[in-house]
Amino acid sequence: EPEVTQTPSHQVTQMGQEVILRCVPISNHLYFYWYRQILGQKVEFLVSFYNNEISEKSEIFDDQFSVERPDGSNFTLKIRSTKLEDSAMYFCARASGVTGELFFGEGSRLTVL
Amino acid sequence: DAKTTQPPSMDCAEGRAANLPCNHSTISGNEYVYWYRQIHSQGPQYIIHGLKNNETNEMASLIITEDRKSSTLILPHATLRDTAVYYCIAFLRNSGNTPLVFGKGTRLSVIA
Repeated sequence: EPEVTQTPSHQVTQMGQEVILRCVPISNHLYFYWYRQILGQKVEFLVSFYNNEISEKSEIFDDQFSVERPDGSNFTLKIRSTKLEDSAMYFCARASGVTGELFFGEGSRLTVL
Repeated sequence: DAKTTQPPSMDCAEGRAANLPCNHSTISGNEYVYWYRQIHSQGPQYIIHGLKNNETNEMASLIITEDRKSSTLILPHATLRDTAVYYCIAFLRNSGNTPLVFGKGTRLSVIA
């Protein structure tokens, strides 16, 4: 299976700044996910996206977060006003159907200072 | 989704089989058992999944007990590159877009 590409690999930002993390999956996949992992902790689900709409989101995914697929290929996660506790690895994943077989990207490390 | 229980850590000698157990005593009849692993801080990697029957692929074998209350992931000839955190997840497919939920997993250390 083709891999998911995430950019940037590492971003350092100041608290309160907006951050956009990008994921380039294969365009014919319909199911996309964002997960995050704070250093030393579990991989946590943020949001799932199907057919260009959010289908599930966790309590972590509050109003500071948004996702979109602006051009039918890139899949973005935006954090409007970053907080120190947003520092984490953010993983994008895709699936080819309603399945538990997800293909994850290598992650984007976000550091908020 | 049913809760799974895994030992926090295990060691395995290089070249030997690594047998990673998972308990899922509350699993429902239509929940699958999925295994993933995470090497260092990379993205989780899908390994294998099964429902009732034992499964094998190029990475591993999955043995599910007849009562489906537990399973074992087997890496037949562990290498140093298999050192990772291994996650066992009970997942209900065909449930819309319900996400996979990762627990703490088992940290497998393969020792030379």
